[in-house]
Amino acid sequence: VQLVESGGGLVQPGGSLRLSCAASGFTFSSHWMYWVRQAPGKGLVWVSHINSDGDWTNYADSVKGRFTISRDNVKNTLYLQMNSLRGEDTAVYYCVREAFDGTKWLDPWGQGTLVTVSS
Amino acid sequence: FILTQPHSVSGSPGKTVTISCTRTSGSVADTYVQWYQQRPGSSPTIVIYEDNQRPSGVPARFSGSIDSSSNSASLTISGLATEDEADYYCHSYDPDDHTVIFGGGTKLTVL
Repeated sequence: VQLVESGGGLVQPGGSLRLSCAASGFTFSSHWMYWVRQAPGKGLVWVSHINSDGDWTNYADSVKGRFTISRDNVKNTLYLQMNSLRGEDTAVYYCVREAFDGTKWLDPWGQGTLVTVSS
Repeated sequence: FILTQPHSVSGSPGKTVTISCTRTSGSVADTYVQWYQQRPGSSPTIVIYEDNQRPSGVPARFSGSIDSSSNSASLTISGLATEDEADYYCHSYDPDDHTVIFGGGTKLTVL
């Protein structure tokens, strides 16, 4: 089971970035998926999650209206489209699998991709 | 609701430490609590799920519990080893608004 994030980098305030998470080693289309972020030196913060079919999503208030989670169950890939980025969005973004349907426990976690919002 | 953890705890090798996670509203028994370990420079890994269940591969030195009287969950690590030095996060889910809650994290130092 592996989750590999990509797409992070340096972006100016107000800019956009799309993160991807390539999943392998399990039946991706059977699992809810999550994005969790961690600002430098800080704790874990939930960002968004999506159901296995991709037709239900939820977001933290801090990103609602700016971020969009989506998935492609053919390509086994999870996405996070991030618009109107702010300095407080600077963080490592982890892609995480819900271990078993309905259980809400998160395993495994990807290695993370760093997003830096700065001018 | 919010999950409150102590900022740091410490213990000596071979000893036992307990990390608490207090739920500020609602009952701790309402939803399951998970615990994650994050070693420096690494991604989090799960050590306890559904209050007290240990995933395969996690040493039996790790145990979880909930206490309704204090409205808290606890992670207990016995026989402390230097490799246990890490940040530990509790986690739960609010089914009312479908949000995911993490505690602020506790830094465990093995002296």
